[in-house]
Amino acid sequence: GEDVEQSLFLSVREGDSSVINCTYTDSSSTYLYWYKQEPGAGLQLLTYIFSNMDMKQDQRLTVLLNKKDKHLSLRIADTQTGDSAIYFCAESNQAGTALIFGKGTTLSVSS
Amino acid sequence: DTGVSQDPRHKITKRGQNVTFRCDPISEHNRLYWYRQTLGQGPEFLTYFQNEAQLEKSRLLSDRFSAERPKGSFSTLEIQRTEQGDSAMYLCASSLGGGADPYEQYFGPGTRLTVT
Repeated sequence: GEDVEQSLFLSVREGDSSVINCTYTDSSSTYLYWYKQEPGAGLQLLTYIFSNMDMKQDQRLTVLLNKKDKHLSLRIADTQTGDSAIYFCAESNQAGTALIFGKGTTLSVSS
Repeated sequence: DTGVSQDPRHKITKRGQNVTFRCDPISEHNRLYWYRQTLGQGPEFLTYFQNEAQLEKSRLLSDRFSAERPKGSFSTLEIQRTEQGDSAMYLCASSLGGGADPYEQYFGPGTRLTVT
């Protein structure tokens, strides 16, 4: 079945780059997504990548997709304290009607 | 603000009571989704509407749960005879229809339910 896995915690210093990794199982997913959730808040769509792309860059965010290994990563350049949050990787279900989320990676940024 | 809104933001209820939550999607979005998120977990899909039609329900959606989307606008999620295991954040999301567009779901702030 569909499943998404992420490492649970990442701690970095302000100004460093953060890399959050994710593996997924459904090779038929057309799009893969990264969402951000701050404490007590809903989910904010950060970026997404089409499955026929290897990389997508959007300001400080870089998404890398290795479709062969079903591995997705999110790199945040020049990480700031305001980037501290939980980051969720998600893929579409086979029907394309719902998102399957990982458990989330808690990013902690220290100054 | 034209984002997804949910009401109430917090609900505390006693076990056995019924509760109802409301979601107002982004106005031009014809797809609406409900998810449930428990502590330390990612959101889990509950159900999906295209316009007023409920097209998919997760096995997580027991018969105590019912969702409606009359007229294809706002949606309600009702939980009957609440149990402590229903305590969670209930998230609503909306998106444009399918086709060539990316499948971008926009989430509301959620309704946090506590069952005592």
